Amino acid sequence: DAKTTQPTSMDCAEGRAANLPCNHSTISGNEYVYWYRQIHSQGPQYIIHGLKNNETNEMASLIITEDRKSSTLILPHATLRDTAVYYCIVRYTGANSKLTFGKGITLSVRP
Amino acid sequence: DTGVSQDPRHKITKRGQNVTFRCDPISEHNRLYWYRQTLGQGPEFLTYFQNEAQLEKSRLLSDRFSAERPKGSFSTLEIQRTEQGDSAMYLCASSQRVSGANVLTFGAGSRLTVL
Repeated sequence: DAKTTQPTSMDCAEGRAANLPCNHSTISGNEYVYWYRQIHSQGPQYIIHGLKNNETNEMASLIITEDRKSSTLILPHATLRDTAVYYCIVRYTGANSKLTFGKGITLSVRP
Repeated sequence: DTGVSQDPRHKITKRGQNVTFRCDPISEHNRLYWYRQTLGQGPEFLTYFQNEAQLEKSRLLSDRFSAERPKGSFSTLEIQRTEQGDSAMYLCASSQRVSGANVLTFGAGSRLTVL
């Protein structure tokens, strides 16, 4: 699986957009980009995934660069409840479909 | 369906005792995963099942660990002769395909403390 690189932490003000970057320069053409988050003392929660195109759902938007070597997760209006560890994961969807988590990025949303 | 259920949520045991965790996945999901997470780290893969078949085991899954999914529904993870290093959150997930990708839904986890 391609390796991902994320900053250790970042913060943003409540109500503002949170842009969480992820580098995956060794990604291959059949690998998806997934984002999960983990709020303290809970299990990880799926947010969004994409292959080539930008994606949006009710939680977030995923912007993938044209060369697919990096992506940005955007939380358009961050709230205090979005404070969590966010994991960017790249994974080939095949028979062996486990996800490998790194340390993620800790997002702190301040009032 | 209420998602992935794990039981117990918390377990405190003495070193050397055996413990068992149970996971009930989302009913229509045929894949089930176990992960372990220690403080400050991301979840680490332990093993996964497709239906009742255990298809992959991590090297982290020592001989003291055994996982089963006898009828392709719920799963159990047993740790024998627990050690203090086994203290961790044990997470279960099940999965379905969403837009061509394999999306995991996690339970809240079972926290193990070995004294």
